[in-house]
Amino acid sequence: DTEVTQTPKHLVMGMTNKKSLKCEQHMGHRAMYWYKQKAKKPPELMFVYSYEKLSINESVPSRFSPECPNSSLLNLHLHALQPEDSALYLCASSVTSGSSYEQYFGPGTRLTVT
Amino acid sequence: GESVGLHLPTLSVQEGDNSIINCAYSNSASDYFIWYKQESGKGPQFIIDIRSNMDKRQGQRVTVLLNKTVKHLSLQIAATQPGDSAVYFCAENSGYSTLTFGKGTMLLVSP
Repeated sequence: DTEVTQTPKHLVMGMTNKKSLKCEQHMGHRAMYWYKQKAKKPPELMFVYSYEKLSINESVPSRFSPECPNSSLLNLHLHALQPEDSALYLCASSVTSGSSYEQYFGPGTRLTVT
Repeated sequence: GESVGLHLPTLSVQEGDNSIINCAYSNSASDYFIWYKQESGKGPQFIIDIRSNMDKRQGQRVTVLLNKTVKHLSLQIAATQPGDSAVYFCAENSGYSTLTFGKGTMLLVSP
């Protein structure tokens, strides 16, 4: 199984809502990532988890809250988002963190904040 | 008018042609590079990677060339097919656990 799955595929939420994005992989990877991608732009790193611990937070606003319940799951909790947070949110995983490992990406969650 | 920043560089080719997509990277200390393909509505898909101790690597119909002197990476696709139409991103490792993506190039393949 070389797949990273993400749910939901699409999400529309108001600025006062609380929602969560989910990501799962069963490749035994110990590093997992959240990226944000705006239209016609490259993915931008948000968070890195290594062995279920947060190792990198790229100065992401606190209205985005990541969680790694176990080595296969990664969540992104959303609260009080702004319309400019509308984007494609991508999850990725790699064998481990470090500089020479391919990252496998999920299909993304298309988020619209109204 | 429209902002240049909203437009991806685009390469248009005919089916069967060879395609070359170029990428300039920024960090001379980067030691690992990846090419990803992203189709509309999908996540990036790994195509090929190369480490800095190599200058060429070949896969199935794809070749990556690395020129460290000028910090340049290219992806060559042989006998391009309509299914190759997508946005292609190069990425460099920019430090522990982080990949920095290039701006992307849209490849359009006409039958």
